[in-house]
Amino acid sequence: KAGVTQTPRYLIKTRGQQVTLSCSPISGHRSVSWYQQTPGQGLQFLFEYFSETQRNKGNFPGRFSGRQFSNSRSEMNVSTLELGDSALYLCASSPWTGNYGYTFGSGTRLTVV
Amino acid sequence: TQLLEQSPQFLSIQEGENLTVYCNSSSVFSSLQWYRQEPGEGPVLLVTVVTGGEVKKLKRLTFQFGDARKDSSLHITAAQPGDTGLYLCAGARGRTNFGNEKLTFGTGTRLTIIP
Repeated sequence: KAGVTQTPRYLIKTRGQQVTLSCSPISGHRSVSWYQQTPGQGLQFLFEYFSETQRNKGNFPGRFSGRQFSNSRSEMNVSTLELGDSALYLCASSPWTGNYGYTFGSGTRLTVV
Repeated sequence: TQLLEQSPQFLSIQEGENLTVYCNSSSVFSSLQWYRQEPGEGPVLLVTVVTGGEVKKLKRLTFQFGDARKDSSLHITAAQPGDTGLYLCAGARGRTNFGNEKLTFGTGTRLTIIP
């Protein structure tokens, strides 16, 4: 069974630009969550999508947005990038219900210069 | 405010020694998970505990969930270099209408096993 696939693995952007990250969950998993990981703040929850709808949202500014497609693939977008957005962005998928464990992708390392 | 505090933050020990990592909170969680993360990769789920007082063993790793479901510990026996990594606890609470719960991650314990 293929794991969670995140693309791209690495990305370098300039302040003020926008970026789109992609996540393909495990086949059959319908929930996708996004996390930001930095050395100072650790893993912070961004949002969760299920059946193309955002079901849960963390405390991030509106510059961070996402969406989920009918095949459960998800994208997150960050507009007007700031230096502080440099982080490892992780996507995690889980089955529909009754599952307490998440499978994470390898992440996208975003560097804002 | 960090809901889950892990201790120690860093731990470096010799191969063969035993160690315990703690995960503490003032909040009650419906379940608690432990993950291990290696550099450049995402966290990998090790175990999920859901019942207060529950103990689970995974080879040389023993996980315990506190009776009040506010804390947990991870004990490693006879540590090996392959145990090196960032250990994260994560508490689940705030169940959504569709059953999935938002995870709150701990501050992490970076473990180094010296051969």
